[in-house]
Amino acid sequence: EPEVTQTPSHQVTQMGQEVILRCVPISNHLYFYWYRQILGQKVEFLVSFYNNEISEKSEIFDDQFSVERPDGSNFTLKIRSTKLEDSAMYFCASSFGEGSGNTIYFGEGSWLTVV
Amino acid sequence: DAKTTQPNSMESNEEEPVHLPCNHSTISGTDYIHWYRQLPSQGPEYVIHGLTSNVNNRMASLAIAEDRKSSTLILHRATLRDAAVYYCILRDVVTYKYIFGTGTRLKVLA
Repeated sequence: EPEVTQTPSHQVTQMGQEVILRCVPISNHLYFYWYRQILGQKVEFLVSFYNNEISEKSEIFDDQFSVERPDGSNFTLKIRSTKLEDSAMYFCASSFGEGSGNTIYFGEGSWLTVV
Repeated sequence: DAKTTQPNSMESNEEEPVHLPCNHSTISGTDYIHWYRQLPSQGPEYVIHGLTSNVNNRMASLAIAEDRKSSTLILHRATLRDAAVYYCILRDVVTYKYIFGTGTRLKVLA
């Protein structure tokens, strides 16, 4: 069964450093997402991406965050200068369509620890 | 805010059926009801979704009330591996993003 894959599974970084989290969405999917979950809290939407553009972003997704689809298969989340409060599990997700009936499939997550 | 309400936690005995309820009183006519579960330290896993009719797949069944203001996820025989947080979600009608609530933490007793 096709799946969303994410790397790395766990990364520890120094505060202020740049981090890139990578994702390979399901191959025929057109819509891509990043969500995050701080330990013990809800899963929160960060950004959605379609046709090489951000289609929606949350207030969490400030100028320190960026997303890119550098080639036909990868989808990346970059945090330019990490803060302690960026420590969280980051989930990449993808869907074929956008409407209410389209299912979003999530990856296993990348656990980011900022020290 | 999430447009669904679920009990914070439920318990079930192993190999017994589990009925996980969800209220979505503000659901619109075109909203699909999606269910996911999240095992510890893993990503949300798709379970099932439906619009009006009851739905079955290999993981679970989804029973949708006639007025669509509530639904119930049914696990026919709970196993220890079904212990997880179960989320009932409606996609936001404007942005189509998922808005997660706190879900129902299911504990399965051996």
